Amino acid sequence: AQSVTQLGSHVSVSEGALVLLRCNYSSSVPPYLFWYVQYPNQGLQLLLKYTTGATLVKGINGFEAEFKKSETSFHLTKPSAHMSDAAEYFCAVSHSGAGSYQLTFGKGTKLSVIP
Amino acid sequence: EPEVTQTPSHQVTQMGQEVILRCVPISNHLYFYWYRQILGQKVEFLVSFYNNEISEKSEIFDDQFSVERPDGSNFTLKIRSTKLEDSAMYFCASGGLYNEQFFGPGTRLTVL
Repeated sequence: AQSVTQLGSHVSVSEGALVLLRCNYSSSVPPYLFWYVQYPNQGLQLLLKYTTGATLVKGINGFEAEFKKSETSFHLTKPSAHMSDAAEYFCAVSHSGAGSYQLTFGKGTKLSVIP
Repeated sequence: EPEVTQTPSHQVTQMGQEVILRCVPISNHLYFYWYRQILGQKVEFLVSFYNNEISEKSEIFDDQFSVERPDGSNFTLKIRSTKLEDSAMYFCASGGLYNEQFFGPGTRLTVL
């Protein structure tokens, strides 16, 4: 079984400040890890993913995340927040199954950016 | 850029009625999924579909639910007899290599 824990259902940062959204996972096999963003009344957009290889992955809109196996973490960061980053962010984990890579999502973190 | 599309964007139905939610996945993808998100809660996996059959399903996906890929392009989710608790946003996703899943914009289902 796999699970995802996102610390903080709501995070507020000032425009230009560092964004740090925390994600810890539990998986009995090597995980595939993802961050998705959901803007109001829209679907889920893939921000970045980790499958294998380099543990620091870069995504769209200046976001990046680092896979730390020893800490079972995959925190999302962005050096400087922009107003347009206000959205809900979901961390997800999956692994290869029999014809399925079903995603298990965390509860999400709503990011507010204060001008 | 290819994208997953879903219709309708909003469906209102009476309890006990059947609904069909439609999705057009990205054309060269092999894996297809339905997820749902009840208002204020996390996104939950319902079912995955590969090689023209269900590959995995969750506890939520009971006998009231079914999926089909009738014509090689559309991917549908049918709820036979809707309940109030089926009210949610339903997302279709499709995936190719490397386990990436691309989500559609969702169908908001309201059961009255």
